Amino acid sequence: DAGVIQSPRHEVTEMGQEVTLRCKPISGHNSLFWYRQTMMRGLELLIYFNNNVPIDDSGMPEDRFSAKMPNASFSTLKIQPSEPRDSAVYFCASTQQGYYGYTFGSGTRLTVV
Amino acid sequence: QKEVEQNSGPLSVPEGAIASLNCTYSDRVSQSFFWYRQYSGKSPELIMSIYSNGDKEDGRFTAQLNKASQYVSLLIRDSQPSDSATYLCAVIKGNNDMRFGAGTRLTVKP
Repeated sequence: DAGVIQSPRHEVTEMGQEVTLRCKPISGHNSLFWYRQTMMRGLELLIYFNNNVPIDDSGMPEDRFSAKMPNASFSTLKIQPSEPRDSAVYFCASTQQGYYGYTFGSGTRLTVV
Repeated sequence: QKEVEQNSGPLSVPEGAIASLNCTYSDRVSQSFFWYRQYSGKSPELIMSIYSNGDKEDGRFTAQLNKASQYVSLLIRDSQPSDSATYLCAVIKGNNDMRFGAGTRLTVKP
């Protein structure tokens, strides 16, 4: 299994630009999670999906952030417009429902200048 | 109060010693508990899970859970320099979403 696949690995963008992060979960996993990690705040849960349906987006910091999961094998996290304080590593993770343990992707390091 | 609390460290132990990492959680309905290891610049990697009170051993790692005290710990025996990393404690309540502590940075000195 290729694991959880995220792209891009690194993204540098200018303030005000739209940023789209992508994630492919492990085949057969029906829960998907987006986390953000910074030195100051650690790993924060942004949103998660069960069977492609958003369950809890209370961690999404602002309306500038949105996430979709159009099918079981793909999810996106979009930031529009981006700001320097959005600079962080964004992780996607997936798990099978009933199996408690997440597998993380390699992350996307986002830098907004 | 944070949902999951850990001492940020850094914790430094000599090679061959026992490293002890601690974690407390705030919600009594928490059901599942995990330890993740994260090397610098890498993603978190699951190393231990524990669901019931007591100890669970896996190789050099032992996880301990005390639900009455809302306390989880990880012991690493015979610590190696390759164990140097940040260790994240994580907790799941009733649904599937996992909350993480801030992590404890461990350094094992040769």
